[in-house]
Amino acid sequence: EPEVTQTPSHQVTQMGQEVILRCVPISNHLYFYWYRQILGQKVEFLVSFYNNEISEKSEIFDDQFSVERPDGSNFTLKIRSTKLEDSAMYFCASSEVPSLGGPTSYNEQFFGPGTRLTVL
Amino acid sequence: SQQGEEDPQALSIQEGENATMNCSYKTSINNLQWYRQNSGRGLVHLILIRSNEREKHSGRLRVTLDTSKKSSSLLITASRAADTASYFCATRSYNTDKLIFGTGTRLQVFP
Repeated sequence: EPEVTQTPSHQVTQMGQEVILRCVPISNHLYFYWYRQILGQKVEFLVSFYNNEISEKSEIFDDQFSVERPDGSNFTLKIRSTKLEDSAMYFCASSEVPSLGGPTSYNEQFFGPGTRLTVL
Repeated sequence: SQQGEEDPQALSIQEGENATMNCSYKTSINNLQWYRQNSGRGLVHLILIRSNEREKHSGRLRVTLDTSKKSSSLLITASRAADTASYFCATRSYNTDKLIFGTGTRLQVFP
């Protein structure tokens, strides 16, 4: 069964360093998302991406964050200068393009296993 | 309370018993999805129910949606130790991509 994959599974970095989290969405999916979950807290939406541009982003997704689809398979989240409070589990998700005329809102989002980011 | 509040926060049952988890939300939604998360792991999609649906089944899972009360329930029948996990509801409103997750219910099933 196709699945979303993420690398690395755990990333440890020093405060102020740049990190890039990588995701390979399900191959026929064209909507991509990043969420994060700070330990013990809710899963929070960061950004959605479609047709090579951001379609929606949350207040969390400030100028320190960026997303990119550098090739036909990868989807990346970059944090330019990490802060202690960026420590969290970061989840990538993808959903398929709906059938013609179908509403996108009905689509299930399938999540990857996550990357645990630890900022020291 | 915020969008997506589950109750109970924690639930402990014996194998073979049924487990019911509830989710309440505040705004109008297009659909509601339930996910499972094993400790420290990823989110596994369980089931999606649309706003015009009232009940949906998938294997041992039964989900109900009451849009008048802005609530949903997830029933797991004949639970197994492997069902031990956290369960989250996530709502999707109209004209938005994002899912808003609830606080989750931690389910412990004892063998």
